[in-house]
Amino acid sequence: GESVGLHLPTLSVQEGDNSIINCAYSNSASDYFIWYKQESGKGPQFIIDIRSNMDKRQGQRVTVLLNKTVKHLSLQIAATQPGDSAVYFCAENSAGGTSYGKLTFGQGTILTVHP
Amino acid sequence: GAVVSQHPSRVICKSGTSVKIECRSLDFQATTMFWYRQFPKKSLMLMATSNEGSKATYEQGVEKDKFLINHASLTLSTLTVTSAHPEDSSFYICSASLVAGNTIYFGEGSWLTVV
Repeated sequence: GESVGLHLPTLSVQEGDNSIINCAYSNSASDYFIWYKQESGKGPQFIIDIRSNMDKRQGQRVTVLLNKTVKHLSLQIAATQPGDSAVYFCAENSAGGTSYGKLTFGQGTILTVHP
Repeated sequence: GAVVSQHPSRVICKSGTSVKIECRSLDFQATTMFWYRQFPKKSLMLMATSNEGSKATYEQGVEKDKFLINHASLTLSTLTVTSAHPEDSSFYICSASLVAGNTIYFGEGSWLTVV
């Protein structure tokens, strides 16, 4: 079946640098995308989301970019801090209706921030 | 904001016994909740969709008789792992959203260890 995947399984950066985590998706029917942060032993924590009618959305220190042409999603974290170290997952939701909330997750990227 | 809570956070049970995990939506009602399973260093895999007042919908490959889901109220869904085996040891996570189109929140997760 169709799935969401990530290009880089690990990413190491220095504190203060900007981080970019990438995600490729293959389901053209997906209309809603979410980035989650997961710390060890905890459930996923919502970071930011974007709908398919947008190509960019900004939050506090984070930006999500959506390129529907190449089915690519990215998460940019500005001024990365040690507390940002975690596993980051992208997730997609197929077109609405009764499937809303039924997410397909990417494999995850381990972000390590060195002080 | 909306919060999803799980209990217990950690449970150890003996092989052959059953264990119940609760997922509660705090401050909001959820007609639909979702149950995921996550093995160490792996991504989240959707197990089933929990529907209030009706039968759960299971993903392909998930045994409905082994993973019993009950969604008896608008704020509570339970997952019961029956006749547990060591291979059922995993991190189980639930999610819910306030209404379709809103942020999807995850519980803190429940670690199950079967010995």
